[in-house]
Amino acid sequence: GAGVSQSPRYKVAKRGQDVALRCDPISGHVSLFWYQQALGQGPEFLTYFQNEAQLDKSGLPSDRFFAERPEGSVSTLKIQRTQQEDSAVYLCASSLGRGGSYNEQFFGPGTRLTVL
Amino acid sequence: GQNIDQPTEMTATEGAIVQINCTYQTSGFNGLFWYQQHAGEAPTFLSYNVLDGLEEKGRFSSFLSRSKGYSYLLLKELQMKDSASYLCAVRDNEGGSYIPTFGRGTSLIVHP
Repeated sequence: GAGVSQSPRYKVAKRGQDVALRCDPISGHVSLFWYQQALGQGPEFLTYFQNEAQLDKSGLPSDRFFAERPEGSVSTLKIQRTQQEDSAVYLCASSLGRGGSYNEQFFGPGTRLTVL
Repeated sequence: GQNIDQPTEMTATEGAIVQINCTYQTSGFNGLFWYQQHAGEAPTFLSYNVLDGLEEKGRFSSFLSRSKGYSYLLLKELQMKDSASYLCAVRDNEGGSYIPTFGRGTSLIVHP
Protein backbone atom coordinates (compact mmCIF):
# COMPACT_ATOMS: atom_id res chain seq x y z
CA GLY A 1 0.00 0.00 0.00
CA ALA A 2 1.00 3.62 -0.38
CA GLY A 3 0.66 4.65 3.23
CA VAL A 4 1.06 3.45 6.80
CA SER A 5 -1.58 0.94 7.79
CA GLN A 6 -2.64 -0.19 11.23
CA SER A 7 -4.82 -3.00 12.45
CA PRO A 8 -7.22 -3.41 14.00
CA ARG A 9 -8.80 0.01 13.57
CA TYR A 10 -10.91 -0.51 16.68
CA LYS A 11 -10.33 -2.81 19.64
CA VAL A 12 -12.49 -3.33 22.69
CA ALA A 13 -10.87 -5.25 25.53
CA LYS A 14 -11.96 -6.25 28.97
CA ARG A 15 -9.76 -5.02 31.78
CA GLY A 16 -6.95 -7.48 32.30
CA GLN A 17 -6.86 -8.79 28.73
CA ASP A 18 -3.76 -8.62 26.56
CA VAL A 19 -3.92 -6.82 23.20
CA ALA A 20 -1.61 -6.61 20.19
CA LEU A 21 -1.67 -3.70 17.77
CA ARG A 22 -0.02 -3.97 14.37
CA CYS A 23 1.66 -1.34 12.22
CA ASP A 24 2.74 -1.72 8.60
CA PRO A 25 5.00 1.22 7.75
CA ILE A 26 5.72 2.56 4.30
CA SER A 27 8.09 0.18 2.53
CA GLY A 28 11.70 1.21 2.93
CA HIS A 29 11.13 3.58 5.83
CA VAL A 30 13.89 3.24 8.37
CA SER A 31 12.27 4.95 11.34
CA LEU A 32 9.09 3.86 13.09
CA PHE A 33 7.36 5.60 15.99
CA TRP A 34 4.48 4.68 18.28
CA TYR A 35 2.38 7.39 19.92
CA GLN A 36 -0.57 7.35 22.31
CA GLN A 37 -3.22 10.01 21.81
CA ALA A 38 -5.90 10.71 24.38
CA LEU A 39 -9.04 12.60 23.38
CA GLY A 40 -8.34 16.29 22.89
CA GLN A 41 -4.60 15.88 23.37
CA GLY A 42 -1.60 15.75 21.10
CA PRO A 43 0.19 12.46 20.39
CA GLU A 44 2.44 11.34 23.28
CA PHE A 45 5.61 9.51 22.31
CA LEU A 46 5.88 5.87 23.33
CA THR A 47 8.80 4.27 21.49
CA TYR A 48 11.06 4.57 18.44
CA PHE A 49 12.72 2.02 16.16
CA GLN A 50 15.48 2.49 13.64
CA ASN A 51 15.18 -0.61 11.46
CA GLU A 52 14.87 -3.49 13.96
CA ALA A 53 16.62 -1.69 16.79
CA GLN A 54 14.49 -0.12 19.50
CA LEU A 55 16.52 3.02 20.18
CA ASP A 56 14.16 4.78 22.55
CA LYS A 57 11.43 3.34 24.75
CA SER A 58 11.38 6.11 27.29
CA GLY A 59 7.73 6.91 26.64
CA LEU A 60 6.31 3.49 27.44
CA PRO A 61 4.16 4.14 30.53
CA SER A 62 4.78 0.83 32.28
CA ASP A 63 6.31 -2.60 31.86
CA ARG A 64 2.93 -3.79 30.62
CA PHE A 65 3.77 -2.12 27.30
CA PHE A 66 6.10 -3.88 24.90
CA ALA A 67 6.96 -3.17 21.26
CA GLU A 68 8.95 -5.04 18.66
CA ARG A 69 9.99 -4.75 15.04
CA PRO A 70 11.91 -7.99 14.49
CA GLU A 71 12.63 -7.68 10.76
CA GLY A 72 12.79 -3.93 10.51
CA SER A 73 9.42 -3.52 8.82
CA VAL A 74 6.15 -4.50 10.56
CA SER A 75 5.91 -3.52 14.21
CA THR A 76 3.66 -4.75 17.00
CA LEU A 77 2.74 -2.90 20.17
CA LYS A 78 1.59 -5.25 22.90
CA ILE A 79 -0.21 -4.22 26.04
CA GLN A 80 -0.53 -6.79 28.78
CA ARG A 81 -3.20 -6.81 31.48
CA THR A 82 -4.96 -3.78 30.01
CA GLN A 83 -6.29 -1.09 32.33
CA GLN A 84 -8.97 1.52 31.72
CA GLU A 85 -6.36 4.27 31.56
CA ASP A 86 -4.89 2.53 28.49
CA SER A 87 -7.97 3.57 26.50
CA ALA A 88 -6.70 5.88 23.75
CA VAL A 89 -5.85 6.01 20.07
CA TYR A 90 -2.50 4.40 19.31
CA LEU A 91 -0.80 5.99 16.32
CA CYS A 92 2.06 4.57 14.34
CA ALA A 93 4.26 6.77 12.14
CA SER A 94 7.17 6.05 9.85
CA SER A 95 9.79 8.21 8.21
CA LEU A 96 12.32 7.56 5.50
CA GLY A 97 15.59 8.44 7.17
CA ARG A 98 17.33 8.32 10.50
CA GLY A 99 16.93 10.77 13.30
CA GLY A 100 19.07 13.81 12.58
CA SER A 101 18.04 14.75 9.08
CA TYR A 102 14.80 16.25 7.87
CA ASN A 103 12.20 13.62 8.51
CA GLU A 104 8.56 14.05 7.68
CA GLN A 105 6.52 11.54 9.64
CA PHE A 106 3.74 9.68 7.87
CA PHE A 107 1.02 8.57 10.25
CA GLY A 108 -1.28 5.61 10.10
CA PRO A 109 -5.01 5.93 10.85
CA GLY A 110 -4.53 4.66 14.39
CA THR A 111 -6.08 1.95 16.51
CA ARG A 112 -8.74 3.12 18.92
CA LEU A 113 -8.47 0.98 22.04
CA THR A 114 -11.31 0.94 24.54
CA VAL A 115 -10.79 -0.95 27.79
CA LEU A 116 -13.98 -1.76 29.67
CA GLY B 1 12.56 17.70 27.00
CA GLN B 2 10.35 20.36 25.54
CA ASN B 3 7.57 22.52 26.91
CA ILE B 4 5.22 23.30 24.03
CA ASP B 5 2.34 25.73 24.35
CA GLN B 6 -0.39 26.49 21.84
CA PRO B 7 -3.95 27.80 22.24
CA THR B 8 -6.59 25.19 22.86
CA GLU B 9 -9.20 26.53 20.48
CA MET B 10 -9.66 29.25 17.87
CA THR B 11 -12.55 30.28 15.67
CA ALA B 12 -12.47 32.14 12.37
CA THR B 13 -14.69 33.02 9.44
CA GLU B 14 -14.58 31.42 6.03
CA GLY B 15 -12.35 33.45 3.71
CA ALA B 16 -10.45 35.09 6.54
CA ILE B 17 -6.87 34.68 7.76
CA VAL B 18 -5.93 33.00 11.04
CA GLN B 19 -2.61 32.72 12.86
CA ILE B 20 -1.98 29.84 15.26
CA ASN B 21 0.93 30.42 17.63
CA CYS B 22 3.26 27.90 19.22
CA THR B 23 5.90 28.60 21.85
CA TYR B 24 8.42 26.10 23.05
CA GLN B 25 11.38 25.62 25.36
CA THR B 26 14.11 23.20 24.38
CA SER B 27 17.82 22.82 24.94
CA GLY B 28 18.83 21.34 21.58
CA PHE B 29 16.41 22.60 18.93
CA ASN B 30 16.45 20.51 15.76
CA GLY B 31 13.34 21.45 13.83
CA LEU B 32 9.66 22.31 14.21
CA PHE B 33 6.77 20.63 12.44
CA TRP B 34 3.13 21.57 11.92
CA TYR B 35 0.56 18.84 11.34
CA GLN B 36 -3.16 18.98 10.58
CA GLN B 37 -5.46 16.42 12.14
CA HIS B 38 -9.14 16.09 11.27
CA ALA B 39 -11.33 14.45 13.89
CA GLY B 40 -10.86 10.69 13.90
CA GLU B 41 -8.09 10.80 11.33
CA ALA B 42 -4.30 10.61 11.29
CA PRO B 43 -2.15 13.74 11.49
CA THR B 44 -0.91 14.90 8.10
CA PHE B 45 2.25 16.92 7.53
CA LEU B 46 1.94 20.62 6.73
CA SER B 47 5.34 22.23 7.20
CA TYR B 48 8.85 21.99 8.60
CA ASN B 49 11.06 24.85 9.84
CA VAL B 50 14.61 24.52 11.07
CA LEU B 51 15.96 27.98 10.18
CA ASP B 52 14.49 31.35 11.12
CA GLY B 53 12.01 32.85 8.73
CA LEU B 54 8.86 32.21 6.79
CA GLU B 55 8.11 29.11 4.73
CA GLU B 56 5.20 29.53 2.34
CA LYS B 57 3.24 26.70 0.79
CA GLY B 58 0.05 27.68 -0.94
CA ARG B 59 -2.55 28.95 1.53
CA PHE B 60 -0.42 27.84 4.48
CA SER B 61 2.73 29.52 5.79
CA SER B 62 4.86 28.75 8.82
CA PHE B 63 7.23 31.06 10.63
CA LEU B 64 10.04 30.32 13.06
CA SER B 65 12.11 32.41 15.46
CA ARG B 66 14.61 30.20 17.26
CA SER B 67 15.83 32.96 19.56
CA LYS B 68 12.29 33.54 20.80
CA GLY B 69 11.25 29.88 20.85
CA TYR B 70 8.27 30.84 18.74
CA SER B 71 6.49 29.66 15.63
CA TYR B 72 3.20 30.38 13.97
CA LEU B 73 1.09 28.75 11.29
CA LEU B 74 -0.76 31.17 9.04
CA LEU B 75 -3.80 29.99 7.14
CA LYS B 76 -5.16 32.26 4.41
CA GLU B 77 -8.46 32.21 2.53
CA LEU B 78 -9.96 29.89 5.10
CA GLN B 79 -12.25 27.12 3.91
CA MET B 80 -14.71 25.07 5.90
CA LYS B 81 -12.52 22.01 5.37
CA ASP B 82 -9.73 23.73 7.34
CA SER B 83 -11.69 23.02 10.53
CA ALA B 84 -9.32 20.64 12.28
CA SER B 85 -6.75 20.37 15.04
CA TYR B 86 -3.33 21.86 14.28
CA LEU B 87 -0.42 20.24 16.04
CA CYS B 88 2.93 21.89 16.68
CA ALA B 89 5.80 19.40 17.18
CA VAL B 90 9.35 20.22 18.21
CA ARG B 91 12.35 17.98 17.74
CA ASP B 92 15.53 18.32 19.75
CA ASN B 93 18.78 16.40 19.79
CA GLU B 94 19.27 16.32 23.55
CA GLY B 95 20.94 13.06 24.43
CA GLY B 96 21.09 12.06 20.79
CA SER B 97 17.36 11.59 20.50
CA TYR B 98 15.53 13.11 17.56
CA ILE B 99 12.00 12.33 18.61
CA PRO B 100 9.45 15.06 17.84
CA THR B 101 7.37 16.09 20.84
CA PHE B 102 3.85 17.26 20.11
CA GLY B 103 1.85 20.03 21.69
CA ARG B 104 -1.75 19.34 22.66
CA GLY B 105 -3.03 20.89 19.44
CA THR B 106 -5.20 23.89 18.54
CA SER B 107 -8.74 23.12 17.51
CA LEU B 108 -9.70 25.51 14.70
CA ILE B 109 -13.36 26.03 13.94
CA VAL B 110 -14.16 27.76 10.65
CA HIS B 111 -17.71 29.08 10.37
CA PRO B 112 -19.57 30.55 7.39
